Amino acid sequence: SQTIHQWPATLVQPVGSPLSLECTVEGTSNPNLYWYRQAAGRGLQLLFYSVGIGQISSEVPQNLSASRPQDRQFILSSKKLLLSDSGFYLCAWRGQGFSYGYTFGSGTRLTVV
Amino acid sequence: AQSVTQLGSHVSVSEGALVLLRCNYSSSVPPYLFWYVQYPNQGLQLLLKYTTGATLVKGINGFEAEFKKSETSFHLTKPSAHMSDAAEYFCAVSDRGNSGGSNYKLTFGKGTLLTVNP
Repeated sequence: SQTIHQWPATLVQPVGSPLSLECTVEGTSNPNLYWYRQAAGRGLQLLFYSVGIGQISSEVPQNLSASRPQDRQFILSSKKLLLSDSGFYLCAWRGQGFSYGYTFGSGTRLTVV
Repeated sequence: AQSVTQLGSHVSVSEGALVLLRCNYSSSVPPYLFWYVQYPNQGLQLLLKYTTGATLVKGINGFEAEFKKSETSFHLTKPSAHMSDAAEYFCAVSDRGNSGGSNYKLTFGKGTLLTVNP
């Protein structure tokens, strides 16, 4: 069966520090991968998605970047965090078929102080 | 372009009462439709989905939803609310990949927070 792992679960980082959040998927190949952010009361904001290794689409210009170094690995990064980067970050994968929904990871609560 | 509207950002019901969460979509072709639930500090979990066939779809935890093409709606219902149903619910839509430029993304509504009163 397919599983998605996302870590860490919580993170407190000072302003100006770097960020690296990792997401990995098991039990499938060539998944579509997604990073979302939830800020309080603002619903789901799509940040990046990837349909293959090295292929990254950015939805919102911001202080973040994403990379997909391996087929089932998706990394969200920042060189210098801002206070506004605080939020709940969710990784998700989707199979190659439009009838599939997303399967989400358990999320990372990031607090920038 | 697709869009999803969830009517009511916050719905409050009594335990044992009917739960009705509304979702309307806009799509140029019949879409795939999804409902997700999110408990505090957790990821989203798929409740149910409509792809083809029967328009009344049953999901987990006693929820069901009916696809009504004429009304472009996909409302979520549960006959009797339980305290454990308190969560945020998201409706989402996907195209069928035949609209000329495949859209790999789901479009989500803004969510409806369901509270259940004892």
